[in-house]
Amino acid sequence: QKEVEQDPGPLSVPEGAIVSLNCTYSNSAFQYFMWYRQYSRKGPELLMYTYSSGNKEDGRFTAQVDKSSKYISLFIRDSQPSDSATYLCAMSGGDSSYKLIFGSGTRLLVRP
Amino acid sequence: NAGVTQTPKFQVLKTGQSMTLQCAQDMNHNSMYWYRQDPGMGLRLIYYSASEGTTDKGEVPNGYNVSRLNKREFSLRLESAAPSQTSVYFCASSPLRGQPQHFGDGTRLSIL
Repeated sequence: QKEVEQDPGPLSVPEGAIVSLNCTYSNSAFQYFMWYRQYSRKGPELLMYTYSSGNKEDGRFTAQVDKSSKYISLFIRDSQPSDSATYLCAMSGGDSSYKLIFGSGTRLLVRP
Repeated sequence: NAGVTQTPKFQVLKTGQSMTLQCAQDMNHNSMYWYRQDPGMGLRLIYYSASEGTTDKGEVPNGYNVSRLNKREFSLRLESAAPSQTSVYFCASSPLRGQPQHFGDGTRLSIL
């Protein structure tokens, strides 16, 4: 079993839809929970992160962490075609404290 | 605000040639990392430097060497390039090890 599981998609939604992206994990020692966005032929861009637990909001993006269920989510409101990209979750902490453990990424397509 | 800068952006090598990939960050981060990204394999850590003066192996260090030149710069060297090292290489940095990382835009390396 992988430490971090993420549905690869692709996920196709119409412009303006609310998008929900999710990851599950198995290591209860994880402390940092991150979301990256990667456009084609570009590096991963850090979108948001939370430390320990709870929610965080930044504009149209909301990140949630549920440590009891070992489940994290990224919500995108009023999705735009420019949101079309691959979204990677990543986590760190505990025994693997020096490195990030990445999900495999979910490809999102927002249709005009 | 440049963030993490990688050079070159593209390179084609012949088998057996050597090459150094350069990375510099201007965020005063202590920790720096080198990854490779391959289709279906995700991001894999090659080497990391938790702080200036230290380097450690990641998941896939064979065939690579690194140098932490100073706090800003972390280079990756291929001594004798092999076709299996054809990949996209990303450099990243974080304030401290294990904290959220910021990535450069990558070096696309092809080895013939």
